[in-house]
Amino acid sequence: EVQLVESGGGLVQPGGSLRLSCAASGFRFSTYSMNWVRQAPGKGLEWVSYIGSSSSTIYYADSVKGRFTISRDTVKNSLYLQMNSLRAEDTAVYYCARDGGGTFDDWGQGTLVTVSS
Amino acid sequence: DIQMTQSPSTLSASVGDRVTITCRASQSINSWLAWYQQKPGKAPKLLIYRASSLQSGVPSRFSGSGSGTEFTLTINSLQPDDFAIYYCQQYNSYPPLTFGGGTKVEIK
Repeated sequence: EVQLVESGGGLVQPGGSLRLSCAASGFRFSTYSMNWVRQAPGKGLEWVSYIGSSSSTIYYADSVKGRFTISRDTVKNSLYLQMNSLRAEDTAVYYCARDGGGTFDDWGQGTLVTVSS
Repeated sequence: DIQMTQSPSTLSASVGDRVTITCRASQSINSWLAWYQQKPGKAPKLLIYRASSLQSGVPSRFSGSGSGTEFTLTINSLQPDDFAIYYCQQYNSYPPLTFGGGTKVEIK
């Protein structure tokens, strides 16, 4: 069974940093592309970032480009999102999602990031 | 970027009803469209991919159709478990991957 478990969320001040993690199990992590998707409170879904299976292809949404960095560790079966220069509009539940060729086939339970002073 | 527009934003229906949700793309996305269901406090769940292919384990009362710029999600004989928010998502051209704004199916 595919399992994705996010961690690392919390309250951070504007301009601060946070690193999210996603622990993957139940599938061959090294062969799948992965994504981060976020959802602001009461709002819709927004794709944030994509990383290919070998980390050679990485994409970001314009809203986070230059501030967020996606990475993965195939030894630890983990996906990461380093978030710097955080803004109030980054407040959201962040989900990691296994890529199915452009679709989001499996999702974690999400971790809440709140940016506020 | 490809914009995805869903209608209606809210839909009131009763158990047993047939429900149809529409999703329109700002340009052709061929059949590269997915549908997700999200319940309160939970992660989204993939229902349909490539416009009309049912994800494994999804009940057959869910179906999708369309190509190009106009798509529909149909739920036949709405069940109590189906009251949720539904999102469409295009994956024809990315980045970025883009979602529709969502359609809330609520109890009439």
